Amino acid sequence: DQQVKQNSPSLSVQEGRISILNCDYTNSMFDYFLWYKKYPAEGPTFLISISSIKDKNEDGRFTVFLNKSAKHLSLHIVPSQPGDSAVYFCAASGMVTGGGNKLTFGTGTQLKVEL
Amino acid sequence: NAGVTQTPKFQVLKTGQSMTLQCAQDMNHEYMSWYRQDPGMGLRLIHYSVGAGITDQGEVPNGYNVSRSTTEDFPLRLLSAAPSQTSVYFCASSYTEYTDTQYFGPGTRLTVL
Repeated sequence: DQQVKQNSPSLSVQEGRISILNCDYTNSMFDYFLWYKKYPAEGPTFLISISSIKDKNEDGRFTVFLNKSAKHLSLHIVPSQPGDSAVYFCAASGMVTGGGNKLTFGTGTQLKVEL
Repeated sequence: NAGVTQTPKFQVLKTGQSMTLQCAQDMNHEYMSWYRQDPGMGLRLIHYSVGAGITDQGEVPNGYNVSRSTTEDFPLRLLSAAPSQTSVYFCASSYTEYTDTQYFGPGTRLTVL
């Protein structure tokens, strides 16, 4: 049973436009959410996180929104750049996973930013 | 800093063979962990360690052993490889288990025939 779901396996966006990547979770005990970015033949790299006490966190071009009632989070990238082309993983943790960096990951969304 | 290093990059095993995937970090991180990535499954936590001498099981520990004799190294052992263990394995580390920035190694692609 996939507790963290990324229902769009791929997304294509034009350079300069907004990329919106979505993530849904089923377990209300998750209280910390993260996004990781992964290039081919490399390990994932941490991008941005958000605690369940917030509904938005911003870092430069990247903003994560959390809607706890809908159990939904999204990552906005504005403006999108070709170097953003990668697989993006949503991840969650909480007491249900043991907390901290013991993460439950989604299946990933392949973002392609086209010129 | 080399960061998190993993060896080998690729490995092919026969069913029943054993092997050790190596993971090392030079950042003096206390927390280290192993994940496997399978198509359609995301990354799943195998084992983790909050410091030298301390290890614990993650979501999918069966068939794998770990030990943490030093802060730097966290090897993952497959005692008797099975085709179901064909996967890409990632090692990760962070200052503590509650530090946001978890650094991942480049991965080991393992095929068990």
